[in-house]
Amino acid sequence: SSELTQDPAVSVALGQTVRITCQGDSLRSYYASWYQQKPGQAPVLVIYGENNRPSGIPDRFSGSSSGNTASVTITGAQAEDEADYYCNSRDSSGNHVVFGGGTKLTVL
Amino acid sequence: QVTLRESGPALVKPTQTLTLTCTFSGFSLSTTDMCVTWVRQPPGKALEWLAFIDWDDDKYYSTSLKTRLTISKDTSKNQVVLTMTNMDPVDTATYYCARIRNYYGSGRYFYMDVWGKGTTVTVSS
Repeated sequence: SSELTQDPAVSVALGQTVRITCQGDSLRSYYASWYQQKPGQAPVLVIYGENNRPSGIPDRFSGSSSGNTASVTITGAQAEDEADYYCNSRDSSGNHVVFGGGTKLTVL
Repeated sequence: QVTLRESGPALVKPTQTLTLTCTFSGFSLSTTDMCVTWVRQPPGKALEWLAFIDWDDDKYYSTSLKTRLTISKDTSKNQVVLTMTNMDPVDTATYYCARIRNYYGSGRYFYMDVWGKGTTVTVSS
């Protein structure tokens, strides 16, 4: 199985734009998906596919990918966006699933 | 509305076998492209994928835990069961089940769109 690599922590000033990235070979075969997790809560899907948001996810969240790197961008970060963010995909063989190590986003 | 709910013991002893049940509604696991997965999260740590089962009853396991895990489904009851043998204190975690959508569109899509609230399992004597 392959790995997905994320920066452990990122910070952004309130109202500014932040990009969280995820790298891994599996992303050449499968789209990444992105999950937001707040303390004590289950993860919530925020981005999937090329750049798709589930119903109820604000449009300040967007996704992109190129080669072995996927990103989620928050344009105009809000205080409520402070959370852990995980990327995920199926690995290249299709036999396993991988998560990134998570990025803790702090909104200053 | 799609919902999933995990159930199982809150406390297990070392060496015992853990059995967790995911009861879901709002979809059928016999529908093409539908899958259900188990993911766990030790306190203060990252998400860890454990296993998933698809609509065709194909099963996939984490390489590091494969020898200890068994996943199965009961389509008539809308349930997916995960068993983990030989439990150890390091297996203390919150265990989540989630629905996976798995299909080919403009590319290969694979994502967990709905999650249960999770169930906390502590392994201690």
